[in-house]
Amino acid sequence: QVQLQESGPGLVKPSQTLSLTCNVSGGSISNNAYYWSWIRQHPGKGLDYIGYVFYSGSTYYKPSLKSRTSISLDTSKNQFSLKLSSVTAADTAVYYCARDTISGSGSRYFDFWGQGILVTVSS
Amino acid sequence: DIQMTQSPSSLSASVGDRVTITCQASQGIRNYLNWYQQKPGKAPKALIYAASNLETGVPSRFSGSGSGTEFTFTISSLQPEDVGTYFCQQYDKHPLSFGGGTKVEI
Repeated sequence: QVQLQESGPGLVKPSQTLSLTCNVSGGSISNNAYYWSWIRQHPGKGLDYIGYVFYSGSTYYKPSLKSRTSISLDTSKNQFSLKLSSVTAADTAVYYCARDTISGSGSRYFDFWGQGILVTVSS
Repeated sequence: DIQMTQSPSSLSASVGDRVTITCQASQGIRNYLNWYQQKPGKAPKALIYAASNLETGVPSRFSGSGSGTEFTFTISSLQPEDVGTYFCQQYDKHPLSFGGGTKVEI
């Protein structure tokens, strides 16, 4: 069974960089059937897609976050990471890593999620 | 960006009731629509993919339909464990986007 687990600081100061890691177990991230993704949820709100990294290292970032976002792979550790720079209080959210599964029929959905990590931006 | 509008934003129903949630896309998204359930303090869980396909292990009381801009999610007989918030999500165009959620209570 695939499991994802986020880790990183729960408190980040304004203007600094938020850095999170997602450890993947039970399956390899070096697989062309998945996009390894980050999604966040502001307190009491809906879900906000951040972007993904593919096994090849190619990435996609939501345009409104693109200038501040970097997602990368570490295949040796079977992990992928999120960096979000110049954070403000508006970046306070629960951050989820998730596996976006691509099927041969063209369907795709987030089939495995981490438990989520609350990151608070505050001085 | 494609906007996903869910209705209602919340509902209260009785055990055994049929519950229906709608999701409207701001432009046509074919059948590229998924549904998730989120329980308090937990990550979302996929229930339906490609508008009408039941994820493995999900009870058959959950179903989905629709294409284009109008989609429906149904719980045929509401159970106590179905309490939570339900989200739709489109994957036709980037950025992927979610509906605002429907909170289901008993």
